[in-house]
Amino acid sequence: AQTVTQSQPEMSVQEAETVTLSCTYDTSESDYYLFWYKQPPSRQMILVIRQEAYKQQNATENRFSVNFQKAAKSFSLKISDSQLGDAAMYFCAYSPRYSTLTFGKGTMLLVSP
Amino acid sequence: EAQVTQNPRYLITVTGKKLTVTCSQNMNHEYMSWYRQDPGLGLRQIYYSMNVEVTDKGDVPEGYKVSRKEKRNFPLILESPSPNQTSLYFCASSPQGLDEQFFGPGTRLTVL
Repeated sequence: AQTVTQSQPEMSVQEAETVTLSCTYDTSESDYYLFWYKQPPSRQMILVIRQEAYKQQNATENRFSVNFQKAAKSFSLKISDSQLGDAAMYFCAYSPRYSTLTFGKGTMLLVSP
Repeated sequence: EAQVTQNPRYLITVTGKKLTVTCSQNMNHEYMSWYRQDPGLGLRQIYYSMNVEVTDKGDVPEGYKVSRKEKRNFPLILESPSPNQTSLYFCASSPQGLDEQFFGPGTRLTVL
């Protein structure tokens, strides 16, 4: 079974600073997707960014970028110029082709003024 | 507006009383899925469906049933709820399994 590990239960960052959230996964598949989802206090699940395993280029969405290391099975999320609205629970998730979606246990991001 | 809807949003019930949580999407998505979220455990997949009449177990299917008779609907059925099924439940859909999944607003279920 695939596993997704987020080793940081909680992280803190100050406004305008940069923070990196870690994620590692275990799989024997070569073709898969990785995702970062954000869950604010409203509980809504919001997709932040996704990465296709066959693409070597790291995905970027505005202030959010990933460091995808396929051989190391690592998928970290970097948030630049952190804003108060970034405060949320962040989940890393893995999905092999046409199959289940497995989530990590989440990292709570706290943003201070 | 493209969305995934769930009903009810909140439910308090008692052990053994059958209940159904409905899920509907208006995006003509083929893939639908149910998750439960528990503190410290993240989201865990209960069941998923690749298309109409096709369903598969996720990581935690025990105690749950699903059906996919129509493309837009994917109800979650608890035949005999127990307190360990108290959780926050999410329904999600996507055009295909690997695409971004669109999540519903969640259903907070409490089983006494």
